[in-house]
Amino acid sequence: EVQLVESGGGLVQPGRSLRLSCAASGFTFDDYAMHWVRQAPGKGLEWVSGISWNSRIIAYADSVKGRFTISRDNAKNFLYLQMNSLKTEDTALYYCAKDTGVKVGDSYDYWGQGTLVTVSS
Amino acid sequence: QSALTQPASVSGSPGQSITISCTGTSSDVGGYNYVSWYQQHPGKAPKLMIYDVSDRPSGVSNRFSGSKSGNTASLTISGLQAEDEADYYCSSYTSSSILFGGGTKLTVL
Repeated sequence: EVQLVESGGGLVQPGRSLRLSCAASGFTFDDYAMHWVRQAPGKGLEWVSGISWNSRIIAYADSVKGRFTISRDNAKNFLYLQMNSLKTEDTALYYCAKDTGVKVGDSYDYWGQGTLVTVSS
Repeated sequence: QSALTQPASVSGSPGQSITISCTGTSSDVGGYNYVSWYQQHPGKAPKLMIYDVSDRPSGVSNRFSGSKSGNTASLTISGLQAEDEADYYCSSYTSSSILFGGGTKLTVL
């Protein structure tokens, strides 16, 4: 059974940093690209970042470019999102999602339950 | 990176068919055959319903179908059922990122 379990969310002040983790199991992790997608309270989905199976292709939404860094550890089956210079508008539920392919695409067949990030003073 | 355009809401009666549109540009929806559709029930994670414009993942009902014409993609749900009531999001690949639509709330009357 495929499982994606996010962790690392919490309450943080504007300008501070947070690192999200996603533990993957039930599939061959290094066969697939992975993504972070967020959803602000009561709002729609927003793609944040994606990383190919071998980390050679990485992409970010303009809203987080230069502040967030995605990475993966294929030996440990983990996906990460380092979030720096956090803003109040980064407040959202952050989902880890598995791509259906090896490259950064738009079809995600498994999602975690999300980890909530609240940026507030 | 503007979001794709979806109607805020659609509704239909059980047994009827409805269509949700997703409008982008030639740089996203119109430029690639990479459009997906997701269903999200309240408090739940999204579920992939359609990928690559019109392909259905294993286990998704054939009442769900996708298509594309120019810069607009569409999701059609036939034989509407009460459990179809949810939010629906489209997404599209672009050369530099992934875009989601703003979401459409489907109400089954």
